Order: sequence, then structure tokens, then C-alpha cells
Amino acid sequence: DTAVSQTPKYLVTQMGNDKSIKCEQNLGHDTMYWYKQDSKKFLKIMFSYNNKELIINETVPNRFSPKSPDKAHLNLHINSLELGDSAVYFCASSKSQGDQKLFFGSGTQLSVL
Amino acid sequence: DAKTTQPPSMDCAEGRAANLPCNHSTISGNEYVYWYRQIHSQGPQYIIHGLKNNETNEMASLIITEDRKSSTLILPHATLRDTAVYYCIVRVILTGGGNKLTFGTGTQLKVEL
Repeated sequence: DTAVSQTPKYLVTQMGNDKSIKCEQNLGHDTMYWYKQDSKKFLKIMFSYNNKELIINETVPNRFSPKSPDKAHLNLHINSLELGDSAVYFCASSKSQGDQKLFFGSGTQLSVL
Repeated sequence: DAKTTQPPSMDCAEGRAANLPCNHSTISGNEYVYWYRQIHSQGPQYIIHGLKNNETNEMASLIITEDRKSSTLILPHATLRDTAVYYCIVRVILTGGGNKLTFGTGTQLKVEL
């Protein structure tokens, strides 16, 4: 069983569209994250949720709206996609807020045309 | 968080030990040293972490100098599958309010036959 799974693996879409990426973890962790890795391979945190509550929002445009229906899921919805949103998006989880041992998903390659 | 400095790339022969250095001369007393790696097209993977004592697990050993200003990640018998970007991260552990790992540019380790 995959510990942190995200879907889809690849997402190709036109500018202006709205899309969602789903993430689920079966580790029983309390904290989940979204990271973005750009074309230069820099990996930056976007959001963090702890027990369904937002605890970190790294000044991400409000076109990005994370949603955590329960602590095992953290989905990412993106409105009005722009070319600059093209990147690999990684979901991750950890036991708690203070635990820096993160388990990452395999990533979603988003290409905006 | 303290800044870390790593060489951009290193080569290692398969079967030999890979020693990856990291400089963190501004580290403070309550900051931990974490190591992650990212194999091509995969999500980052936790390797090991430590505060001041040397640590060993099934993947690697972490040697932290007595003054804590630098550390070395040791892969005792590198294999081709260890080819990856290795990230050294220094982080304060917070009990609340959110924690965010900041990934730098890392060291690209290439293991060759």
C-alpha cells in the first residue's frame, strides 16, 4: 500500500481552467502538506494542515485553495490556471506538527499550456 | 533557520562509501540537522536526523562535528540506486504553530560503476 498517494500523476490543461489534485495518506498522521517544485527544482512549502486546520499558508495566491475533509485527505484546487503554475506538486504528511520526518507522495506534474 | 552549504555535485564508485558534507556554521543550540534525498522523478525521502550525537539507521550514518558547525552524511556502500539529490536541512523543532522544511539546492550524488 502506498503511504501517501496523490492523483493524478500528470495533468495537462489550458490556461484559465480550474483543476484539482487529490492526496490521501494511510499512515494515521495528523499533519499534511503541499509543496511545489518549480522548473529549477526548488522545493517550497505552500500549505500545511494539522487535523484539518490550516496552520501554514506561505503567501500562496488565493487561486490555490486547499481543502481537508478529514485528516487523511488534503486536496488542492487551483482556479484560473496560469502558465507559471506549471510545476510538480508534492503532497506530504507527518505524525504531528512538530515531527519533521515527512513522507512524500510521488508528485503531480502539472503542465499549463 | 540556519543556512546550509553543500557542494553542488559529487561522484562515488559503486560499493564505496559516499561522504556528503554540509556546512551549517550558524546553527543554534536547538536546531536539528535533517537529511533528505530526492531520486529523479520521485518525492523527497527522509534519511536521518540528529541534534549533536552521531546517528545511524538502516540507510545511513550522520556524523555531526563537536561544534555542530558541520555534518557528514555517510552512505556506507553506495549503489546505483543511491544516485539522487541529497538535501541537508537545519530546523528548529516547534511544538506548535507549524513547521516548514526549507529545501536548498542540495548535492547531486552520482554513483557510477
